[in-house]
Amino acid sequence: LAKTTQPISMDSYEGQEVNITCSHNNIATNDYITWYQQFPSQGPRFIIQGYKTKVTNEVASLFIPADRKSSTLSLPRVSLSDTAVYYCLVGDWALGGGADGLTFGKGTHLIIQP
Amino acid sequence: NAGVMQNPRHLVRRRGQEARLRCSPMKGHSHVYWYRQLPEEGLKFMVYLQKENIIDESGMPKERFSAEFPKEGPSILRIQQVVRGDSAAYFCASSPVAGTNTGELFFGEGSRLTVL
Repeated sequence: LAKTTQPISMDSYEGQEVNITCSHNNIATNDYITWYQQFPSQGPRFIIQGYKTKVTNEVASLFIPADRKSSTLSLPRVSLSDTAVYYCLVGDWALGGGADGLTFGKGTHLIIQP
Repeated sequence: NAGVMQNPRHLVRRRGQEARLRCSPMKGHSHVYWYRQLPEEGLKFMVYLQKENIIDESGMPKERFSAEFPKEGPSILRIQQVVRGDSAAYFCASSPVAGTNTGELFFGEGSRLTVL
């Protein structure tokens, strides 16, 4: 069971880089790591996904060490609008994820201050 | 390309009544997932469906809850004889055909059920 552990909350300031780490010690060979963002009263929104090493897109980077037992979501130069809950998921998406891989947990509540 | 559409956005029911929540996936998506979110909690997986099939319902309570995704029309999450503990936001997500390994779920805006 690839369960994940994240900090409950984090604080930062506008313009800073924010790194949120997720632990997934029991990750399986076929599991991918995916991060979502959720604003209040909205559905989650996909941010980034990776399998190993580093993935970068227009909004974030995802760092995955060789053992894949953790991953770090990096948000460059955050703004107030990045205040949200961030979820880390691990699962084998080729099989539709599986119930474990589709569990969001409580996520990390990121608060950005001016 | 319209996103995932959920309705109603807000639903109020009295204890013992039935609640029906509908979800139309994105065009071309044949996989639908339902989640429940209690206040200040994360999203809890309930059920995963493909057209006319329930693939994984391990997260759905055995009693009073049912889900379907017919060949035609939206997916429906049905809650019979609602109780106050059913008050929550119910989110639907859809994805393209499995096997792509993209893992991206597209979520609707949710349906907020309040049981009086």
